[in-house]
Amino acid sequence: EAQVTQNPRYLITVTGKKLTVTCSQNMNHEYMSWYRQDPGLGLRQIYYSMNVEVTDKGDVPEGYKVSRKEKRNFPLILESPSPNQTSLYFCASSSPGLGNTEAFFGQGTRLTVV
Amino acid sequence: AQKVTQAQTEISVVEKEDVTLDCVYETRDTTYYLFWYKQPPSGELVFLIRRNSFDEQNEISGRYSWNFQKSTSSFNFTITASQVVDSAVYFCALSHPYGQNFVFGPGTRLSVLP
Repeated sequence: EAQVTQNPRYLITVTGKKLTVTCSQNMNHEYMSWYRQDPGLGLRQIYYSMNVEVTDKGDVPEGYKVSRKEKRNFPLILESPSPNQTSLYFCASSSPGLGNTEAFFGQGTRLTVV
Repeated sequence: AQKVTQAQTEISVVEKEDVTLDCVYETRDTTYYLFWYKQPPSGELVFLIRRNSFDEQNEISGRYSWNFQKSTSSFNFTITASQVVDSAVYFCALSHPYGQNFVFGPGTRLSVLP
């Protein structure tokens, strides 16, 4: 079954404690990206990757890091989380091509930073 | 710059009423994709439809229909004979031609009352 898997689904942490949210896809997609969802703002892109070792900033990259060492994995790293990073996070993957641009989204990670 | 506007923040209807969710987009690309996603209370994003910029044909899928008009940069979504299970947040989104960057609208929260 084609899927994007994020872990954990729920996380409560304290300010400044480094954390990683993992994202893995089984569709051999080139493109992967991270979004955060906040009330009234929809989903905003944090970082994206167009292939292994190729990453770039999205609209709201401050306070986040990513890496793409393997095609299937795209972890989101918060080196020093702050309360304003409390949000719902989604990982997505897609493949290039005019006929196939649906993005598959993970189940979401609800992060609370206290 | 790309932008998606969903002017309706919240809509409430009574079951069996028809309801239309508005979506207006801005892009300089001549080739692009438009999407609708549903986010039920459980939080996951459910893909509903993808439409490319060259295909202005309206689409109907069961109780759902979509009206794409390039002349007004709109991609509106209509639910006919709404049901309580349609209660969710609905997002309209726009992507680059190869799907790597999605721009989402702020979402419309639809409540269908029994």
